[in-house]
Amino acid sequence: AQSVTQLDSQVPVFEEAPVELRCNYSSSVSVYLFWYVQYPNQGLQLLLKYLSGSTLVESINGFEAEFNKSQTSFHLRKPSVHISDTAEYFCAVSEGGNEKLTFGTGTRLTIIP
Amino acid sequence: GAVVSQHPSRVICKSGTSVKIECRSLDFQATTMFWYRQFPKKSLMLMATSNEGSKATYEQGVEKDKFLINHASLTLSTLTVTSAHPEDSSFYICSAGQGSGGYTFGSGTRLTVV
Repeated sequence: AQSVTQLDSQVPVFEEAPVELRCNYSSSVSVYLFWYVQYPNQGLQLLLKYLSGSTLVESINGFEAEFNKSQTSFHLRKPSVHISDTAEYFCAVSEGGNEKLTFGTGTRLTIIP
Repeated sequence: GAVVSQHPSRVICKSGTSVKIECRSLDFQATTMFWYRQFPKKSLMLMATSNEGSKATYEQGVEKDKFLINHASLTLSTLTVTSAHPEDSSFYICSAGQGSGGYTFGSGTRLTVV
């Protein structure tokens, strides 16, 4: 069975500093990997996803994540954060061919002015 | 892009009453709809998976008689919380599966049972 671990429940970062949100997964088959962002009292918005091909995927707002199969990781990074990046970030995995998404417990990113 | 409209966004109901939450896919056909529940400061817990025209598949521990899911058309899925109690208060989110790793989430429903 697939599972996702987000080790950091909260990450405070100063504005314009870099950030990395960690995500590790467990699966016995090929996977699709996702990062979602959730603002207060809202649904989830897709940030980026890895399905196949290049292991480095990027979002339009400066985030990137790299699929590392040997380390079973899909860490999310941004070189310089903004106040508007304050939100909850969820890593998720689905096993290839199975649409069921399994979410990590989330990381709350707080940007300090 | 694909949009899933979820209503209501917030609802307060009395204990013992039933509440219906709707999710509509606006510009695509959602053959599969996933229903999640999110507890405060917690992750999303998958409650059930529904496919258009067939019975929903519930996750272990989810009461199917309490959380009624209907997916009668390719654009509409509903979740009815029957005989709601305060412990059912939560944030409920639907997600339409589009195949090949595509999912579109609704904006969520905050249910408060008093």
